[in-house]
Amino acid sequence: EVQLVESGGGLVQRGGSLRLSCAASGFTISRYYMSWVRQAPGKGLEWVANIHQDGSETYYADSVKGRFTISRDNTKNSVYLQMNSLRGEDTAVYYCANQGKYYGSLENWGRGTPVTVSS
Amino acid sequence: SYVLTQPPSVSVAPGKTARITCGGDNFETRSVHWYQQKPGQAPVLVISYDSDRPSGIPERFSGSNSGNTATLTISGVEAGDEGDYYCHVWDTGSDHVIFGGGTKLTVL
Repeated sequence: EVQLVESGGGLVQRGGSLRLSCAASGFTISRYYMSWVRQAPGKGLEWVANIHQDGSETYYADSVKGRFTISRDNTKNSVYLQMNSLRGEDTAVYYCANQGKYYGSLENWGRGTPVTVSS
Repeated sequence: SYVLTQPPSVSVAPGKTARITCGGDNFETRSVHWYQQKPGQAPVLVISYDSDRPSGIPERFSGSNSGNTATLTISGVEAGDEGDYYCHVWDTGSDHVIFGGGTKLTVL
């Protein structure tokens, strides 16, 4: 069974840092682009970042560029999101998902991990 | 920046057909994907590459892409189809994933 499990979310102060992890099972992430998508309370989906199969290319939303870093460890079948200089508007549920191509669909999603940035 | 436009809400009676649109520029050169999200749950892919239905998605779900509008069609709507629906494309100009604002489907 294909499964993605996010972890690492929680309550953090404004300006703080947090590292999210996404562990995959039931498939090998090395064949896929991996993405992070977030959803603020009561709002729609917002793409955050994605990363090429071998980590050679990364793309970021303008709202997080320079503050967030996506990375992956194919040997651990996991992808990560390092979030620095957190702001109130970063408060959201963060989901990871796999993509066959950079322009492809987000095929499978995890259940998400909530991040709350407090002042 | 590239924008996808969806109607905020669509309402339909059980057994009827729901059509949810997604508008954008140059759709003929882009692949459009659709997701269903029920309250408190993660999104689920229901249509990929304009009209492909992933395994496990009922045949009642179909998609099309023509000109500047993509359409998700749900035939024989059921109460369990209620939720939010999002379209998604890749914008080559910005190298960004773009989501539409979402459409809330209500089954009357």
